[in-house]
Amino acid sequence: DTAVSQTPKYLVTQMGNDKSIKCEQNLGHDTMYWYKQDSKKFLKIMFSYNNKELIINETVPNRFSPKSPDKAHLNLHINSLELGDSAVYFCASSQDWSEKLFFGSGTQLSVL
Amino acid sequence: SQQGEEDPQALSIQEGENATMNCSYKTSINNLQWYRQNSGRGLVHLILIRSNEREKHSGRLRVTLDTSKKSSSLLITASRAADTASYFCATDVRGGSNYKLTFGKGTLLTVNP
Repeated sequence: DTAVSQTPKYLVTQMGNDKSIKCEQNLGHDTMYWYKQDSKKFLKIMFSYNNKELIINETVPNRFSPKSPDKAHLNLHINSLELGDSAVYFCASSQDWSEKLFFGSGTQLSVL
Repeated sequence: SQQGEEDPQALSIQEGENATMNCSYKTSINNLQWYRQNSGRGLVHLILIRSNEREKHSGRLRVTLDTSKKSSSLLITASRAADTASYFCATDVRGGSNYKLTFGKGTLLTVNP
């Protein structure tokens, strides 16, 4: 069983479209995250949720809206996609903010 | 600017050799973590060292932490081709009232058979 699973693995779309990425963890963790990795491998935190509550919003454009229906799920919806949104998006979870993170396998988003 | 910076950016060695990667950070931390990322995959946690620890071992991995110099090193002994990956250090950083785990840009390690 995959601990942190995210779908889809690949997402190719046109500029201006709206898309969603889903994430689920079966580890019973309280905290979930979205990270963005750019083409230079730089990994930057976007959001973190603790027990469905938004804890960190790292000055991400409001076109990005995370939603956590329960503590096992954290989805990311992106409106009006732009070329600069092309990146790999990783979902992760941890039992506590200071403990190790478990990452999903990533969603490669390509905006054309 | 980033909290953690790995050095070197890229490292190429022969199988069986040791690989050392360094990480420097700017602000005080509670812990420092090292992760590995194989090409096209998610990050995998390797080791966590707390600010009151100086050295930690896990199999062929040895991590040191020098809080006075704000630096850490990851040593992989007797490297294997399967160790080829990017290695990232991550530090916990207080952001407002909350902490977050901040990653460096990574070291790309290539182990040649």
